[in-house]
Amino acid sequence: EPEVTQTPSHQVTQMGQEVILRCVPISNHLYFYWYRQILGQKVEFLVSFYNNEISEKSEIFDDQFSVERPDGSNFTLKIRSTKLEDSAMYFCATWTGTDTQYFGPGTRLTVL
Amino acid sequence: AQTVTQSQPEMSVQEAETVTLSCTYDTSESDYYLFWYKQPPSRQMILVIRQEAYKQQNATENRFSVNFQKAAKSFSLKISDSQLGDAAMYFCAYRSTYNQGGKLIFGQGTELSVKP
Repeated sequence: EPEVTQTPSHQVTQMGQEVILRCVPISNHLYFYWYRQILGQKVEFLVSFYNNEISEKSEIFDDQFSVERPDGSNFTLKIRSTKLEDSAMYFCATWTGTDTQYFGPGTRLTVL
Repeated sequence: AQTVTQSQPEMSVQEAETVTLSCTYDTSESDYYLFWYKQPPSRQMILVIRQEAYKQQNATENRFSVNFQKAAKSFSLKISDSQLGDAAMYFCAYRSTYNQGGKLIFGQGTELSVKP
């Protein structure tokens, strides 16, 4: 069964550093998402991406965040200057536009 | 804006017994999708079951079934013959059919423990 993959599985960074989280979507999927889950809390929507542009973003997704598909396969989330409160699990999800979103295994980001 | 509420932070069930997890939501839309996701300790998000609002028939997937009450905006998950592997965090989620972006809106989650 096709699956969404994410790298790295765990990223540790210093406050103020830039991080890039990577996702490889399922090949025929058209919609891509990033969600965030702070430990012990619910999963929160960050951003959706369709047709090479952002289709919707949440209040959390401020100027420190950006997304792109640099090579037509990877889907990345960049955090320019990490803060302690960015420590969370980050999930990539992809979708054909029908049926169900498929989630990747997540990247655990720890900001020190 | 749509909201999803899970009022049970924790639930416990004896192995082989049945448990029901509650979820309510608020929306002014008439057509939408509802989901239950399971999150085991690995924190992977695993789809358990989904329900389309325009379908009156409750969805079932093996031991998992839902009780969808559209008028009451209630979407509960019933797990029959509970197994130790069912222990996890369960999230209820909503997706609009009008929002073309298709984002999921999650509830706060219910931590299910299964006692042997």
